[in-house]
Amino acid sequence: QQQVKQSPQSLIVQKGGIPIINCAYENTAFDYFPWYQQFPGKGPALLIAIRPDVSEKKEGRFTISFNKSAKQFSLHIMDSQPGDSATYFCAASRSGGSNYKLTFGKGTLLTVNP
Amino acid sequence: GAVVSQHPSWVICKSGTSVKIECRSLDFQATTMFWYRQFPKQSLMLMATSNEGSKATYEQGVEKDKFLINHASLTLSTLTVTSAHPEDSSFYICSARDPGSYYGYTFGSGTRLTVV
Repeated sequence: QQQVKQSPQSLIVQKGGIPIINCAYENTAFDYFPWYQQFPGKGPALLIAIRPDVSEKKEGRFTISFNKSAKQFSLHIMDSQPGDSATYFCAASRSGGSNYKLTFGKGTLLTVNP
Repeated sequence: GAVVSQHPSWVICKSGTSVKIECRSLDFQATTMFWYRQFPKQSLMLMATSNEGSKATYEQGVEKDKFLINHASLTLSTLTVTSAHPEDSSFYICSARDPGSYYGYTFGSGTRLTVV
């Protein structure tokens, strides 16, 4: 069964801290790994995504680390701010076809205290 | 970037009535759209994959006759919740994949359905 396991379920950090969210996948055919941020009452918004040919990708304060051999990837948020408080979902998919569906993790509720 | 517009953002309907939710790709052609349902504090649950000009593919356990999906054009897919009941109250989200974009999937802003 295709699964993406995400941890932790919730996370509380102080402003300026570096929360880390981890995901593990099973299907080696997956080659697209995005992270989404969702605020209450809104749809998910893409934060950053990575493909397995690189081990790390940075966009602003957000960094994905990818370990292909371990089938794991993680999101790091540098200098976290209260405005980063949201639910974060990792996901995985195959690329190359428009009908390949995303498999989501269960989400991590991040709270950044001022 | 790719934009997916979803309407309405919220709707309240009476039990037994039907509700239609629209999902439009604004700046790209979406041959495939996805419909999700999300309960509070839970992940997105894929309901169905909508393909332009053909029947939707429903995930196991999703009632086809209750959740009617129509993908009549390359920019519009609709989800109709028929004979809605309070247990259908949820947050519904559509998504489309822009094949021309590295960033792949774009999500609509979601529709909060409340059945009273």
